[in-house]
Amino acid sequence: NAGVTQTPKFRILKIGQSMTLQCTQDMNHNYMYWYRQDPGMGLKLIYYSVGAGITDKGEVPNGYNVSRSTTEDFPLRLELAAPSQTSVYFCASRRQGWGGYTFGSGTRLTVV
Amino acid sequence: DAKTTQPPSMDCAEGRAANLPCNHSTISGNEYVYWYRQIHSQGPQYIIHGLKNNETNEMASLIITEDRKSSTLILPHATLRDTAVYYCIVRADNTDKLIFGTGTRLQVFP
Repeated sequence: NAGVTQTPKFRILKIGQSMTLQCTQDMNHNYMYWYRQDPGMGLKLIYYSVGAGITDKGEVPNGYNVSRSTTEDFPLRLELAAPSQTSVYFCASRRQGWGGYTFGSGTRLTVV
Repeated sequence: DAKTTQPPSMDCAEGRAANLPCNHSTISGNEYVYWYRQIHSQGPQYIIHGLKNNETNEMASLIITEDRKSSTLILPHATLRDTAVYYCIVRADNTDKLIFGTGTRLQVFP
C-alpha cells in the first residue's frame, strides 16, 4: 500500500513548455485533489475530483487542466508554463465519508 | 466554509505541552474542525478532527469550546519532531473541498 504517489519529484521547465504532473493512489479513494504551495504560503486548491469522470475547479484553476479517467489516477496538466506557476504541487486523496486527506510528497516545479 | 484565525507562530519547550489555539467564530452547525500539520516541505499530515465533543488520539487532543467558536490542539509532550506548521480548518461534512489558511508555525526548542 503505497498511498499517494507523485511523479516527478523535481522538474525545471522553460516558459511556454508543457508538462503533466502525475498522481496515483492505491487506496480506492473516490476523492482526489491538486494543491499548490508557494514559498512561505499555505496550500491553494487548484482542481479536485469526486470520482472517475468528474472534475471541478478549486481556488486557482487558471493555467491548469485535469482529467480523471480512472479511480487511481488524477494527472495535472500545464499547457503553457509561466514563472507564476513555480511552486510545490501536492496531490491528495480521501475516501468518501471521512474528511482525513492523504497527501503525496509533492512535486517541486520551477519555471524559468 | 467558515474562516479560521491562528497565531502566525508559537514556541514550545521540548517535553512540555504545546497548546495551539484557533478561532472560528462563524462556524456553522454542520462544520467540523480539522487539524493538519506540515513538517518542512512534506505533504500535510492529518492529525485530528471533531464536531462538538473533545477528541483524543495517539497524536493529540482537540478541545472545542461549548459555543464552538474556538478550539485548541494539544500536543501533550512536544518533541523536536513536532516542529511544523499547524493548520486549523473548518469543513462541512457535505463539502468536497478542504481550504487551507496560513497556519501556525510551531517551533519546539530543546
